[in-house]
Amino acid sequence: NAGVMQNPRHLVRRRGQEARLRCSPMKGHSHVYWYRQLPEEGLKFMVYLQKENIIDESGMPKERFSAEFPKEGPSILRIQQVVRGDSAAYFCASSLIAGGNNEQFFGPGTRLTVL
Amino acid sequence: GENVEQHPSTLSVQEGDSAVIKCTYSDSASNYFPWYKQELGKRPQLIIDIRSNVGEKKDQRIAVTLNKTAKHFSLHITETQPEDSAVYFCAAHPGDDKIIFGKGTRLHILP
Repeated sequence: NAGVMQNPRHLVRRRGQEARLRCSPMKGHSHVYWYRQLPEEGLKFMVYLQKENIIDESGMPKERFSAEFPKEGPSILRIQQVVRGDSAAYFCASSLIAGGNNEQFFGPGTRLTVL
Repeated sequence: GENVEQHPSTLSVQEGDSAVIKCTYSDSASNYFPWYKQELGKRPQLIIDIRSNVGEKKDQRIAVTLNKTAKHFSLHITETQPEDSAVYFCAAHPGDDKIIFGKGTRLHILP
């Protein structure tokens, strides 16, 4: 059973470009979470999605950031017009069951560098 | 919302000694407390967790304690080994879907 997959693992963008990060949850998992980790920091929650629905986006910046989890295919975190401050590791996690106290399994992360 | 504080930010212990990392949380509704280990450039991996209906849990050299009244929980690693060197994150689930992480403790095991 493959774990959570993320691609690309490394992404370099120039300021003003768009970044698209993909996450495929573990088989059978329909709950996806995105976290951002700045250097030397903990992980900060961004958004929680189920298939075709955004459930909680309270941690996501209001502008330039969007997320989706279509009926078919991976979840996508999209950052438009990237700025240097967007440079971070972006981790996706998935869970079998919704709600707290259920283990979330993390992907290997996408390291975004904005030049 | 929930806030998780973690101490210390860096910890160096001699190989074979014990390491203790402490966390506090603010939301009394939190009922699940996982601990993650993250090696350099790798994903966070769950190493142990504790639910609010127990006060202590042990798995080989790793143990976690929870004091709900005081809203603090701790990770104990005994007989530390070089492969224990990593960043450790405590976390709390405040009853909804997100995990709130502490800022991490960088553990160095000294030879």
